[in-house]
Amino acid sequence: GDSVTQMEGPVTLSEEAFLTINCTYTATGYPSLFWYVQYPGEGLQLLLKATKADDKGSNKGFEATYRKETTSFHLEKGSVQVSDSAVYFCALSGSNSGYSTLTFGKGTMLLVSP
Amino acid sequence: NAGVMQNPRHLVRRRGQEARLRCSPMKGHSHVYWYRQLPEEGLKFMVYLQKENIIDESGMPKERFSAEFPKEGPSILRIQQVVRGDSAAYFCASSPPNGGNTIYFGEGSWLTVV
Repeated sequence: GDSVTQMEGPVTLSEEAFLTINCTYTATGYPSLFWYVQYPGEGLQLLLKATKADDKGSNKGFEATYRKETTSFHLEKGSVQVSDSAVYFCALSGSNSGYSTLTFGKGTMLLVSP
Repeated sequence: NAGVMQNPRHLVRRRGQEARLRCSPMKGHSHVYWYRQLPEEGLKFMVYLQKENIIDESGMPKERFSAEFPKEGPSILRIQQVVRGDSAAYFCASSPPNGGNTIYFGEGSWLTVV
C-alpha cells in the first residue's frame, strides 16, 4: 500500500537558517503530494502541493519539488523564522480510488530559536 | 482550513462513556473525511462519507466506532464505550462535490479518556 516516510525530528535551527525536511513516498500510479503544517494546539493547514512530476509547490517561502525518479518531495525554506516552529506533515493522495484520502507521514517537528 | 467547523474542541470522557464529535464541512462541500491522530503519530484515515452514504470506512475500527453524515446537519463520529486508547485528536476534513484532490481540515477535536 501507499506510504510516506519523513525524517525524524525535532529539527532545531536558528532564525534565518536554511531548512530541509526530507520526504519520500511509495505509491502506485501517480499520486498528488502535499505538505501540511500543524501549529501547537491547532489543526492542519495546507502549506503547498504538487500534482505531477517536476511540479514545484510553493507558499510563504516554502518550496517542494515532486521528484518521481527519486520518489521524493523534500520541503525547503531559505530562511526560517521563529514563527515557522510547528509540526510539518508530508502526505500523498492516491490516484486509484477516484476520491481523495490522504496517507500521512509521522510528522517532523521544527523548532526555530531566535 | 477556514470553514470546516468541529466541536467540541476538547472532550473528556470516563471509560465506558460515549463520545460524539461533530463536523460541519465547508460551505458547498459534500464530502467529509475523518482522521485520527494518536500521540506522536501522523494522521490515519478513518472514514469517507458523502451525504447519507458511507463511501469508504476501511480505516474505522470494527467495533464501537461509527460515523454518519445525514441529509441535514453535521457529520457525527460516534465512539461507544470509550477506552483510554481512544484518546487522540480527531480531525474532520471536507472537499467539494467535484472531488479534486485537495481536502481542507478542521481544527480538530481532542478526546481524553480518563
